[in-house]
Amino acid sequence: GQQLNQSPQSMFIQEGEDVSMNCTSSSIFNTWLWYKQDPGEGPVLLIALYKAGELTSNGRLTAQFGITRKDSFLNISASIPSDVGIYFCAGHPLTQGGSEKLVFGKGTKLTVNP
Amino acid sequence: DGGITQSPKYLFRKEGQNVTLSCEQNLNHDAMYWYRQDPGQGLRLIYYSQIVNDFQKGDIAEGYSVSREKKESFPLTVTSAQKNPTAFYLCASSSAASGGGEQYFGPGTRLTVT
Repeated sequence: GQQLNQSPQSMFIQEGEDVSMNCTSSSIFNTWLWYKQDPGEGPVLLIALYKAGELTSNGRLTAQFGITRKDSFLNISASIPSDVGIYFCAGHPLTQGGSEKLVFGKGTKLTVNP
Repeated sequence: DGGITQSPKYLFRKEGQNVTLSCEQNLNHDAMYWYRQDPGQGLRLIYYSQIVNDFQKGDIAEGYSVSREKKESFPLTVTSAQKNPTAFYLCASSSAASGGGEQYFGPGTRLTVT
């Protein structure tokens, strides 16, 4: 099936640093979504992207839909301790012919040292 | 408050017993999904339903069953045929208008089978 390659798998940073993570695929996606999951909780939608080249911000978070439609990245600026968690990318592949299934990356685990 | 509820948060069962996980949404969403998450892994789709009285198998449907008798409810039964049922189960929903993107998740149910 479809796969998303999300990197890095984990990051250890100091409070105040900026963070960047990305997702790539071998196939074209119509939609890119970024979620954050706290331990023991469900993922929370952070940003949704629908057009190639689209750059969208949500507070300190910025995400972009790659021009090739095969990748997306998420940046977090000036990290704070509550940014700790697992960040997932997800996408709606072009080839699914109207199906509503999403494909998920395996996540980037972020640790922020105060 | 609109949202997705899953109950219970923690569930313990003996091997060989069927168990049903509840998922309810009051977002008036047409589509609902069940995912399984194992430690350090991404989300894997079990079943999904795009409309009442209809549902489709996801990537790992074996050992699970669902029903969709009401728009707001999508219960998942983990049967004794599921070989490795201990996991974190997440329910999600999306509106038809979102075209498959923007899935919103419940808080999850952690199932432990011994």
